[in-house]
Amino acid sequence: NAGVTQTPKFQVLKTGQSMTLQCAQDMNHNSMYWYRQDPGMGLRLIYYSASEGTTDKGEVPNGYNVSRLNKREFSLRLESAAPSQTSVYFCASSSRAYYGYTFGSGTRLTVV
Amino acid sequence: RKEVEQDPGPFNVPEGATVAFNCTYSNSASQSFFWYRQDCRKEPKLLMSVYSSGNEDGRFTAQLNRASQYISLLIRDSKLSDSATYLCVVTSGGSGAGNNRKLIWGLGTSLAVNP
Repeated sequence: NAGVTQTPKFQVLKTGQSMTLQCAQDMNHNSMYWYRQDPGMGLRLIYYSASEGTTDKGEVPNGYNVSRLNKREFSLRLESAAPSQTSVYFCASSSRAYYGYTFGSGTRLTVV
Repeated sequence: RKEVEQDPGPFNVPEGATVAFNCTYSNSASQSFFWYRQDCRKEPKLLMSVYSSGNEDGRFTAQLNRASQYISLLIRDSKLSDSATYLCVVTSGGSGAGNNRKLIWGLGTSLAVNP
């Protein structure tokens, strides 16, 4: 089915390790987003890409980097993981800037 | 005051009941409003947009009150499958670059529909 695919679904990292979360959409959407969701905090925007070739910081960008590789793919990199980055990460896409997000199934990341 | 506030619940209702959730928002410049549903340990899914005139989709009705800055979601004839967390979402508004691209998410209202 068409949609947003995120990998991996689960990951355990040690403090200081790095990793990249992958996201791809096949709906020809222009905008893509990375969120994290923590209990009591709701969904918080890490980075977004309004269109291919552009990326912007969201509310909580520290400790993360992103790459909009092409129109389909938007990756999130943790350069040096910290326990505070333990969270559920969601990638999303939309045809226009803030309407009708489609989310991936999420990545559950634990940093020990 | 939080930008988007929702009663966390949980709302426990029997099958067939009518239940309503409200959500208040603080930014009078917000232009777009949505309800998403999120099942336990799953991703959020768009339930419906909320239009100024109000809108209905089957058993679900959404209303917007700009003067009082709240939106509501009414679910009629509740089903077991309606059990989920309902997230209220509004645009951040504002005129700065990128501001109109951001959504502000409520923490959600939990609904449990019981047999």
